[in-house]
Amino acid sequence: KAGVTQTPRYLIKTRGQQVTLSCSPISGHRSVSWYQQTPGQGLQFLFEYFSETQRNKGNFPGRFSGRQFSNSRSEMNVSTLELGDSALYLCASSLTDSTDTQYFGPGTRLTVL
Amino acid sequence: KNEVEQSPQNLTAQEGEFITINCSYSVGISALHWLQQHPGGGIVSLFMLSSGKKKHGRLIATINIQEKHSSLHITASHPRDSAVYICAGSRAYKYIFGTGTRLKVLA
Repeated sequence: KAGVTQTPRYLIKTRGQQVTLSCSPISGHRSVSWYQQTPGQGLQFLFEYFSETQRNKGNFPGRFSGRQFSNSRSEMNVSTLELGDSALYLCASSLTDSTDTQYFGPGTRLTVL
Repeated sequence: KNEVEQSPQNLTAQEGEFITINCSYSVGISALHWLQQHPGGGIVSLFMLSSGKKKHGRLIATINIQEKHSSLHITASHPRDSAVYICAGSRAYKYIFGTGTRLKVLA
């Protein structure tokens, strides 16, 4: 069974631009979560989707948004990029929710210049 | 006070030593997860616990629900165990992460 895939793996953007990251969960998994990891703040929860519905959202500004498609694939978007958005963005999938084991993708490393 | 607290932050051990990493969590956490992250970023889920004890190879994870405390033990540690170990609590469809323990095992 294929693991969680994320594209692109690396991305360089400049301040003010926007970016879209993609996540394909493990087949059969319906829950997709997104996390941001930085050296200073560690791992922080962004949002979680299940059956195209956002069930929870972390404490991030409205510039961070996401969505899930009917095939469970998910995208997250960051608009008006700031230097502080430079981070590793990880997505994870599970069967139903966070009490299940989550399987993490390799991440997208975003650098904002 | 963070909802998930982990200690120690850094740990250096000699090969073969028994290692313990601790995690305390707050009310409302329904399950506790132990994760491993190697340099390069990839995160692997090691255990999910809601009660008792689990063992996989040289790794053992325990949880005490009354005390809201979990431990991850590594027996006969090896340099390939060098990684960051993270505990995370499940609540309301999200993980709440500890700060991680950076483990270095010396040959």
